[in-house]
Amino acid sequence: EVQVVESGGGLVQPGGSLRLSCAASGFTFSRHNMNWVRQAPGKGLEWVASIGGGGRHIYYADSVKGRFTISRDNAKNSLFLQMNSLGAEDTALYYCARAGGSPDYGDHFESWGRGTLVTVS
Amino acid sequence: QLVLTQSPSASASLGASVKLTCTLSSGHSNYAIAWHQQQPEKGPRCLMRLNSDGSHIKGDGIPDRFSGSSSGSERFLTISSLQSEDEADYYCQTWATGMKVFGGGTKLTVL
Repeated sequence: EVQVVESGGGLVQPGGSLRLSCAASGFTFSRHNMNWVRQAPGKGLEWVASIGGGGRHIYYADSVKGRFTISRDNAKNSLFLQMNSLGAEDTALYYCARAGGSPDYGDHFESWGRGTLVTVS
Repeated sequence: QLVLTQSPSASASLGASVKLTCTLSSGHSNYAIAWHQQQPEKGPRCLMRLNSDGSHIKGDGIPDRFSGSSSGSERFLTISSLQSEDEADYYCQTWATGMKVFGGGTKLTVL
């Protein structure tokens, strides 16, 4: 069974940092583009960042570019999101999502986790 | 600019059918999309990947009541025989090199 489980969320002060993790199982991790997607309270889904299966082809939403860094460890089937210079606008539930299609770029989100909550206050 | 547009809300009666619409921005009418369902207090789940020709591949375990179709720049999600658990937010999603995009979502109420 395909499974992705997020962790690392919590309460952080404005200007602070946090590192999210996503543990993947049930599929060949290195063959999939992986993503972080967030959802602010009461709002819709917003794509945050994407990384190709080999760890290259990295892209960010404009709202987080220069502050967030996505990375992965294929040996440990893990995805990460380092978040710096956090502001109130970053408060959201952060989801890890596996993409289908090209391992480098990905397309639709096939599998989702349950999310980890980040509160900046 | 790649943009997806959805109506904020829709409603239909228990047992009836409903058709939700996602519209691609000008110049992107040949793009495929995906439909995702988010039930209250749950994470999203992928319903299907829908191509511009209307062909679609559903996610694992998605009931036959859910189907997709396309016409020009519009992508549709039809849910038949509505059940109470279909009350949820529905998001369309598309992609291009270096970016992935969501529509604003449609909140479906089952009456």
